[in-house]
Parts: sequence; C-alpha cells; structure tokens
Amino acid sequence: GQNIDQPTEMTATEGAIVQINCTYQTSGFNGLFWYQQHAGEAPTFLSYNVLDGLEEKGRFSSFLSRSKGYSYLLLKELQMKDSASYLCAAMDSNYQLIWGAGTKLIIKP
Amino acid sequence: IAGITQAPTSQILAAGRRMTLRCTQDMRHNAMYWYRQDLGLGLRLIHYSNTAGTTGKGEVPDGYSVSRANTDDFPLTLASAVPSQTSVYFCASSPLSGNTDTQYFGPGTRLTVL
Repeated sequence: GQNIDQPTEMTATEGAIVQINCTYQTSGFNGLFWYQQHAGEAPTFLSYNVLDGLEEKGRFSSFLSRSKGYSYLLLKELQMKDSASYLCAAMDSNYQLIWGAGTKLIIKP
Repeated sequence: IAGITQAPTSQILAAGRRMTLRCTQDMRHNAMYWYRQDLGLGLRLIHYSNTAGTTGKGEVPDGYSVSRANTDDFPLTLASAVPSQTSVYFCASSPLSGNTDTQYFGPGTRLTVL
C-alpha cells in the first residue's frame, strides 16, 4: 500500500535548527512536496524535490533520497512564526498526492 | 478574486440534509481537487478533476459528488449528510502541466453534521 510517515510533534527553541523527517512508500514516484499549515489555515507550498539531494530556499531546505524513500525538511534560525504543522506529501504514478498526517512544530522562546 | 475561494467558511448541518460546498479559482488551472482533513489523519482526496468536463474518484468518494462544468468552478455536494462527514474541507487546484504540479489550496470550509 501507499504510506507516508512523519513524527506527530516536535519542539524546538527560537533561533535553533530543526529537521523534520518523512519516509514514504508509493506506487511510482513523481516527487516529494512539503507544505506548511498554520492552525485554522490552508496548507501553503514550501518545497518540491524530485531528484536526490538538497534544495535550499532561504531558511528552509529540503532533502530527498529516492533509494531510501526518505526526505527531510530543515528549518534554520527558527522564528516563533514557524510554529505550524508541516505536511509531507509524495506524488504517485497517477500524479496524485499521498499525504502524511503532518508534524506539529512547537517553537519555544 | 485572487487564487481560490471557498464558501461557506463554516456550516452546521442537520444529518440527512443536502449541502453543496462551493469552490472557485481564477488561476485558469486545469486540475481541481477536494480533500477532507481530520485530526490525526493526512489530507484525504475525495474527488478530483483534471480538466473541465471530467471528474474522478479519490480515496474517500462515498457520500460525495462533484461536477466540473467549467474551468473555474468545482462544487462538492453531500447528498444526505451524516455525522462522519464532519470535517474541514479544502479545495485545491494545480496547473497539471510540466514536471512540478504544485497544488494551491483554498481557505477551507469547516462542516459540522449533527
């Protein structure tokens, strides 16, 4: 079957670095997405990886290893506004997104 | 309008009633999607449409129907609502072109069925 696993909740300190891991199993693979979702709001797109390696975008970076079915989202210089849920989603062979349940990130001062 | 709009923002509905959730996008995206989001679960696809005039079933289609008469609108209908359909419903759209088919989400509709 198709499955996405990511931690339910993580806590980090303002100014620090945090890494949110995601493992996936899909029928075919057409890329890995990360979205940010603040409480009560819609998910917003953060990053997309389809090739192995690291993609850097400001304070956020995303890594993919296709052979391991693994991705992570790295957030640097954490700010209080980064408190949100982070959703991992893999695109299968039918170009449908399979979503993880999300990782709630709590930032402490 | 800029992006995707959904209506209503929230609704409380008696079981057995019919309800249509509205979704409109102005980005001329080919594909549109309806998801439900429940606590502790990932977004689950209800129905999708890759282009005007076509629709497809997602992971959890039972009890829901959709139509796609034009590019911009993609309404979701609950023919006879049940309490298990209490959820937050998100509409999304994507260009469905190129290698990076990013989905963009509307603000959501919070539905409570009593």
